[in-house]
Amino acid sequence: GESVGLHLPTLSVQEGDNSIINCAYSNSASDYFIWYKQESGKGPQFIIDIRSNMDKRQGQRVTVLLNKTVKHLSLQIAATQPGDSAVYFCAEIGVGTDKLIFGTGTRLQVFP
Amino acid sequence: DTGVSQNPRHKITKRGQNVTFRCDPISEHNRLYWYRQTLGQGPEFLTYFQNEAQLEKSRLLSDRFSAERPKGSFSTLEIQRTEQGDSAMYLCASSLVVIETQYFGPGTRLLVL
Repeated sequence: GESVGLHLPTLSVQEGDNSIINCAYSNSASDYFIWYKQESGKGPQFIIDIRSNMDKRQGQRVTVLLNKTVKHLSLQIAATQPGDSAVYFCAEIGVGTDKLIFGTGTRLQVFP
Repeated sequence: DTGVSQNPRHKITKRGQNVTFRCDPISEHNRLYWYRQTLGQGPEFLTYFQNEAQLEKSRLLSDRFSAERPKGSFSTLEIQRTEQGDSAMYLCASSLVVIETQYFGPGTRLLVL
């Protein structure tokens, strides 16, 4: 299949290590944020979301942190597995709109 | 499978031809979105519907593009007189009004020769 994100920033981690993927968002008025995982040739897959009234949210093996002061999001993946290898995108929805605005993706490569 | 489905998954066409893509959202999702994604980029918003009503269109959606959702269920995206620059992955997503999370389909990969 084709490759998503041929020239994206890349994070390489060893299997079992924790991964941290960062994202800077654009609109200080955005109030809803989502992390998506996209494997080659597939559509984005929902991972976790967070609202602007929170600064942290945890899921299964994943944690999202939101720092509104510097407009920064991060996705932490615990005990990274080979199946986590993909391109990860953050996306935001601003106040008064319903469309997602995607950030620059990050390719995560997991080595055994 | 109750996820978003899109057809066809791949489409190769010659410049100047018309193409039409279909999206079937998750059952009972009243919002349906179209995005376009080129290699190395995140998806870019094109347009979205709430039930049958088209509520917003991006400036990316030139007059060669038209989208419909006639019965508030499936949607079609038509591109007339295709150009090589239209080559991209066309993604559909759906959501409920009260829950903003958008769930994406597998996309339709368009190649214009």
